[in-house]
Amino acid sequence: GAVVSQHPSWVICKSGTSVKIECRSLDFQATTMFWYRQFPKQSLMLMATSNEGSKATYEQGVEKDKFLINHASLTLSTLTVTSAHPEDSSFYICSAKGGVAGVYEQYFGPGTRLTVT
Amino acid sequence: GDSVTQMEGPVTLSEEAFLTINCTYTATGYPSLFWYVQYPGEGLQLLLKATKADDKGSNKGFEATYRKETTSFHLEKGSVQVSDSAVYFCALLKGSYIPTFGRGTSLIVHP
Repeated sequence: GAVVSQHPSWVICKSGTSVKIECRSLDFQATTMFWYRQFPKQSLMLMATSNEGSKATYEQGVEKDKFLINHASLTLSTLTVTSAHPEDSSFYICSAKGGVAGVYEQYFGPGTRLTVT
Repeated sequence: GDSVTQMEGPVTLSEEAFLTINCTYTATGYPSLFWYVQYPGEGLQLLLKATKADDKGSNKGFEATYRKETTSFHLEKGSVQVSDSAVYFCALLKGSYIPTFGRGTSLIVHP
């Protein structure tokens, strides 16, 4: 089946530094990837939609200069949290749109736990 | 806009009890409906889905039926196990391929 991986699975960084999270579709090409943020005991909040070779589309209230998204290939999208602060600590989940024979659905990565100290 | 409403949790059950987690939706057109499961510290896994009215999705003993007349997609399992303890998300999806998620329902199963 379709597999999406994320790296790293968890990361701790100091306030003011930047951290990059990778999202890869392992066995399919994903023209569209999505980045979500999840706070403890809450649902997923869509941050942005990432299309290969073009600029990401950010949801209202998400700072595009703080959360840099790059989708350089059909199997890789990256989210860079710049100048991280403790309030950026969260669980970040990516997903990729993929399908077989015209039937599409979203496949989710395992998530990345970011802790900013 | 589209929305998904789930029953609030946590739902606490004893092992082998019957489970129902209610989910209702509001949407125009004909969405596909999904249940995702999130185990502690992990991402979301697709549990089951239904793409049209009266379809029944099933997996790992869980099942849900797409009821258009009641706009519902309730999740059921006849006999839960401790290993079923997780958060369950109901979601709908239309042509944009961006799911609309419910708030999630935590299930705790005691031995």
